[in-house]
Amino acid sequence: DGGITQSPKYLFRKEGQNVTLSCEQNLNHDAMYWYRQDPGQGLRLIYYSQIVNDFQKGDIAEGYSVSREKKESFPLTVTSAQKNPTAFYLCASSPLLSDTQYFGPGTRLTVL
Amino acid sequence: AQSVTQLGSHVSVSEGALVLLRCNYSSSVPPYLFWYVQYPNQGLQLLLKYTTGATLVKGINGFEAEFKKSETSFHLTKPSAHMSDAAEYFCAVSSSGAGSYQLTFGKGTKLSVIP
Repeated sequence: DGGITQSPKYLFRKEGQNVTLSCEQNLNHDAMYWYRQDPGQGLRLIYYSQIVNDFQKGDIAEGYSVSREKKESFPLTVTSAQKNPTAFYLCASSPLLSDTQYFGPGTRLTVL
Repeated sequence: AQSVTQLGSHVSVSEGALVLLRCNYSSSVPPYLFWYVQYPNQGLQLLLKYTTGATLVKGINGFEAEFKKSETSFHLTKPSAHMSDAAEYFCAVSSSGAGSYQLTFGKGTKLSVIP
């Protein structure tokens, strides 16, 4: 089955701890994206990557970091510098130069 | 720069009634427009998209949307609501930047269907 997996579905962390969210795709897509979703705010782009070992900041990159060592994987680290990390995080992917993005099921992060 | 405005954060309709979810966009280049649906605690699923050509676009689950350039609108409709349509709907606009299509989303409209 082709698709995008995000793990874990729910994640709880203490304030001040870094946490890494996993995103894996077996669709052979070149581009991958991370979005943050807050109630009533829509989705906001954190980072995106079009190719292995390259990534670009989105609209709200502060306090986040990413890596793209493999085509199929694009993990997101929420650092202690992110002031309000509690949110629903969505990963997406698309073929390069495609207008359509496909989304994973999301990870809900709660910082206590 | 591009932006999306969805009128109404919450819309309620009766089962069997018309569904109309409004979306207006702003874009400095010809837009690509999308509607996505999200069920609780799930990811987004593409309902339909407009890129070029026919301005009336049909999507999945009986939804359709019409691109009206003069009104900068891309409203989503369905003739008869089902209980299963209850979800949150997001309108998005895309433009190509450095070879990557970046989506800008509206804030979403939560649709409730009353039995």
